[in-house]
Amino acid sequence: GEDVEQSLFLSVREGDSSVINCTYTDSSSTYLYWYKQEPGAGLQLLTYIFSNMDMKQDQRLTVLLNKKDKHLSLRIADTQTGDSAIYFCAERYLNDYKLSFGAGTTVTVRA
Amino acid sequence: DTAVSQTPKYLVTQMGNDKSIKCEQNLGHDTMYWYKQDSKKFLKIMFSYNNKELIINETVPNRFSPKSPDKAHLNLHINSLELGDSAVYFCASSQDSRRDTQYFGPGTRLTVL
Repeated sequence: GEDVEQSLFLSVREGDSSVINCTYTDSSSTYLYWYKQEPGAGLQLLTYIFSNMDMKQDQRLTVLLNKKDKHLSLRIADTQTGDSAIYFCAERYLNDYKLSFGAGTTVTVRA
Repeated sequence: DTAVSQTPKYLVTQMGNDKSIKCEQNLGHDTMYWYKQDSKKFLKIMFSYNNKELIINETVPNRFSPKSPDKAHLNLHINSLELGDSAVYFCASSQDSRRDTQYFGPGTRLTVL
């Protein structure tokens, strides 16, 4: 979507950390999501963060939110080959059903 | 025990035909959605129903008609299929609250020849 922007490609070595970046349009109350899409599969919700939070950690995943710069990132620690996929950032306003997606970042993990 | 399921997974058809895609969720959610993912992987919402009532209707050709017989089902009927309709169509569902997370189905890949 035109409101959510992501870098299109990321190549990372197995075992390294991956950082996927996203910028979004600001709102006083916004949910921000990260979805993963493996080849030929549907979207899997990875994690989400509310805009009054700065950081959220869940096992190998760390989400960082910089409200001033309207910047969201997803860090994957110890990246594995199974992490190769397209990662979508999505934004939703508080009283809105609609998700606005970024174009997706294709992450390729090389041995 | 699939949460959000879609049928068929693949659909190949000729231009001008009419086809339907079905979606069912067993999560007890009140809200369901249809998204379209184009060849560049760009995802955009098409429709949403809450308790069988249409709440989101984006700029979609009127050849596309969603139907929700009950809150667990949301079907998508497409008339007079065109080449540009080729895409992957995803169904999703969420609880009634607008705070709630959307869960996606596996997608239906539609190819119009």
